[in-house]
Amino acid sequence: GDSVTQMEGPVTLSEEAFLTINCTYTATGYPSLFWYVQYPGEGLQLLLKATKADDKGSNKGFEATYRKETTSFHLEKGSVQVSDSAVYFCALKTGANNLFFGTGTRLTVIP
Amino acid sequence: GAGVSQSPSNKVTEKGKDVELRCDPISGHTALYWYRQSLGQGLEFLIYFQGNSAPDKSGLPSDRFSAERTGGSVSTLTIQRTQQEDSAVYLCASSPQGAAYNSPLHFGNGTRLTVT
Repeated sequence: GDSVTQMEGPVTLSEEAFLTINCTYTATGYPSLFWYVQYPGEGLQLLLKATKADDKGSNKGFEATYRKETTSFHLEKGSVQVSDSAVYFCALKTGANNLFFGTGTRLTVIP
Repeated sequence: GAGVSQSPSNKVTEKGKDVELRCDPISGHTALYWYRQSLGQGLEFLIYFQGNSAPDKSGLPSDRFSAERTGGSVSTLTIQRTQQEDSAVYLCASSPQGAAYNSPLHFGNGTRLTVT
């Protein structure tokens, strides 16, 4: 079945460090891929998405490229800030009703 | 405008009791989802409502779980005879369009359920 495997956390980085959170997927069709973020005390919200192979989603300095050959959608940011501290969820949807989520990766950025 | 609202934010109940969790979606959103997030686990899909169509109940873990959506708006998730393994954060999300589209889900802050 469809599933998402996400890098386990927690991840702790210093401010201005480079961030990568790995995400790989298994899907029978042609999924759309998403990254959601949950800031402390807030609900989950969409960070970025890509709907077909080789698409790059980007938002707030974060990027992720839909790689069909490696079935991956890794999240990257060149220089993290304290305000990026949150839990990040990779997710996929293949046109069925469900949105499949990974287990989440908690990021803490220290000044 | 207002986001997705869930109530209560926290619920502590004794094993064997029934609980009801409420979700008020964003006005005009036709799609509504319930998910469950247990400690150390990802988001587990429970049920999906789209307009007047029959709901997708394929994620409900047992027949103790049920959900309704009245008038295409407010939804109630009911758990009967609660068990300790039901302890989790229950998240509701709504979307302006159905699952065939890639419109984002808007999540509420969740209800943290603790079964003692």
